Amino acid sequence: QQQVKQSPQSLIVQKGGISIINCAYENTAFDYFPWYQQFPGKGPALLIAIRPDVSEKKEGRFTISFNKSAKQFSLHIMDSQPGDSATYFCAASKGTTDSWGKLQFGAGTQVVVTP
Amino acid sequence: KAGVTQTPRYLIKTRGQQVTLSCSPISGHRSVSWYQQTPGQGLQFLFEYFSETQRNKGNFPGRFSGRQFSNSRSEMNVSTLELGDSALYLCASSVGGRRMLREQYFGPGTRLTVT
Repeated sequence: QQQVKQSPQSLIVQKGGISIINCAYENTAFDYFPWYQQFPGKGPALLIAIRPDVSEKKEGRFTISFNKSAKQFSLHIMDSQPGDSATYFCAASKGTTDSWGKLQFGAGTQVVVTP
Repeated sequence: KAGVTQTPRYLIKTRGQQVTLSCSPISGHRSVSWYQQTPGQGLQFLFEYFSETQRNKGNFPGRFSGRQFSNSRSEMNVSTLELGDSALYLCASSVGGRRMLREQYFGPGTRLTVT
């Protein structure tokens, strides 16, 4: 049973457009929500992360929006570039000491940015 | 700082054999988590080690085991390999000792093919 549900599975966006990826979770024990970017043949790279006490966090062209009551969070990629074409994963982990190192991942979203 | 390193990068084994994969975390990081990535199941948590102790374990059979050394380097072992064990095995390191420093940084992975 996947504890973090991610959508869409894939998306195509034009250069300069906005890519939006959504994730939902059920377990209210989750208190850390990172996003990763993965290129073919590489390991996932940490993009940006958020905790539930913040509703939005921005780093460069990447923004996470967090809705605690709806148990949803999303990644917005502004001014999308062809170099952003990759697979994006959302993840979550719980706040207990023995759970800090256990990330539970969404299924991933393949983003293609067309020139 | 050097990133997370994993050796070997590629491995081909025969069904029934065993394999050992190695991971060297970022200097100063004491936690190492292991994940299996497959097209069908996505990214799945295997186990986490912190200060030479297994802190958490995912839902994998006992054929999957690991350990961590005093210098924080970690190894994982898979015995009696099955075709379904073919996957990209990723390790990630984090500081490990503080709830607010939970960022995990991934290595490039070891691509294991079982024939």
